[in-house]
Amino acid sequence: DADVTQTPRNRITKTGKRIMLECSQTKGHDRMYWYRQDPGLGLRLIYYSFDVKDINKGEISDGYSVSRQAQAKFSLSLESAIPNQTALYFCATSDLGTGKHEQFFGPGTRLTVL
Amino acid sequence: QQQVKQSPQSLIVQKGGIPIINCAYENTAFDYFPWYQQFPGKGPALLIAIRPDVSEKKEGRFTISFNKSAKQFSLHIMDSQPGDSATYFCAASNSGGSNYKLTFGKGTLLTVNP
Repeated sequence: DADVTQTPRNRITKTGKRIMLECSQTKGHDRMYWYRQDPGLGLRLIYYSFDVKDINKGEISDGYSVSRQAQAKFSLSLESAIPNQTALYFCATSDLGTGKHEQFFGPGTRLTVL
Repeated sequence: QQQVKQSPQSLIVQKGGIPIINCAYENTAFDYFPWYQQFPGKGPALLIAIRPDVSEKKEGRFTISFNKSAKQFSLHIMDSQPGDSATYFCAASNSGGSNYKLTFGKGTLLTVNP
């Protein structure tokens, strides 16, 4: 679904490097989320934002930071990447103002930390 | 603490079979229970969802059964097809809460053999 885009799609980096993953959406949704997916662990919430001025930690926020630059943009940063941050990262959006709770996911970024 | 427990972790069925995926939750405040479907290389997408005021919901070949007293819900796929092969995630949320977010199960990898 091109409405939620993520860049880059794949990234290989080294331990200690700073990495930024970007998410953009054209759905006009107010809420945005960052998840991490690991085999056997499902989807775990890292950070979420209900509007530009609202940022909240999820269940696994340690080692990550986020920035909501605009309603349509939500970036995830790894200040000093470590190998156990190797995972598939998803951005998602939702619009609770419509009364619907569906989250729309981007295509994912596969991050490898060596 | 895992609030949504999903089983089995993986499931293999023959074409035409009826795979069943089960989820159990702990938080009695949860009132929205979606299932997401994820194909390889893609982000998860909403498949079907249910609220606790009904015990069953059908959409095409997909059915959610809900047991409020047991705090369990399950996904049934009728006449399964090879194209249904994917990872399925159950989730739950308290839709009335101001801090709305989804809690996902760990996922089930479904393989439907021809």
